[in-house]
Amino acid sequence: QKEVEQNSGPLSVPEGAIASLNCTYSDRGSQSFFWYRQYSGKSPELIMFIYSNGDKEDGRFTAQLNKASQYVSLLIRDSQPSDSATYLCAKGRFSGGYQKVTFGIGTKLQVIP
Amino acid sequence: EADIYQTPRYLVIGTGKKITLECSQTMGHDKMYWYQQDPGMELHLIHYSYGVNSTEKGDLSSESTVSRIRTEHFPLTLESARPSHTSQYLCASKSVGPTGELFFGEGSRLTVL
Repeated sequence: QKEVEQNSGPLSVPEGAIASLNCTYSDRGSQSFFWYRQYSGKSPELIMFIYSNGDKEDGRFTAQLNKASQYVSLLIRDSQPSDSATYLCAKGRFSGGYQKVTFGIGTKLQVIP
Repeated sequence: EADIYQTPRYLVIGTGKKITLECSQTMGHDKMYWYQQDPGMELHLIHYSYGVNSTEKGDLSSESTVSRIRTEHFPLTLESARPSHTSQYLCASKSVGPTGELFFGEGSRLTVL
């Protein structure tokens, strides 16, 4: 079982719609969770992090975390063509010499104009 | 804008050559990472460091080695390159705390003939 599971997609949504991206993880010791966006041929860049159960909103983006279900999601409201990219879910576990950030395969999002 | 630099950006070499991929950051981060990513595939953690003279292997077994003699510098070395080492190598450094952001370099694309 992979530590971070994502559907690779592609997920296609029309412009202006809500895109919903999901992720599950296997390590209950994980402390923090991240969503990164990666454009084709580019390096990942951070969109949001979340570490407490519930929702966290930042502009058009909302991250949701449910530790009991080991589930993380990202909602993108009013999707724009410029949001078309691969969205990587990542988890972090940090304890002494153990300082790992592990990524899922990423979900490719296509926003159709 | 992240201050993390990788060189070379592109490298094409023959089998059996020794190569070193350079990674430097000017943010004073203790934690640094090397990820390997093939096209359309997930990022695999191959090495990480949580400070000077501390390095650990990641989740994906790699024949490469790393060193951390200075905080700002985290080079990756392949003693004898093979075609199976052809990949994109991404270096990252992480800001303080469990929710600290990973800042990625632009990557080094290695092709071994």
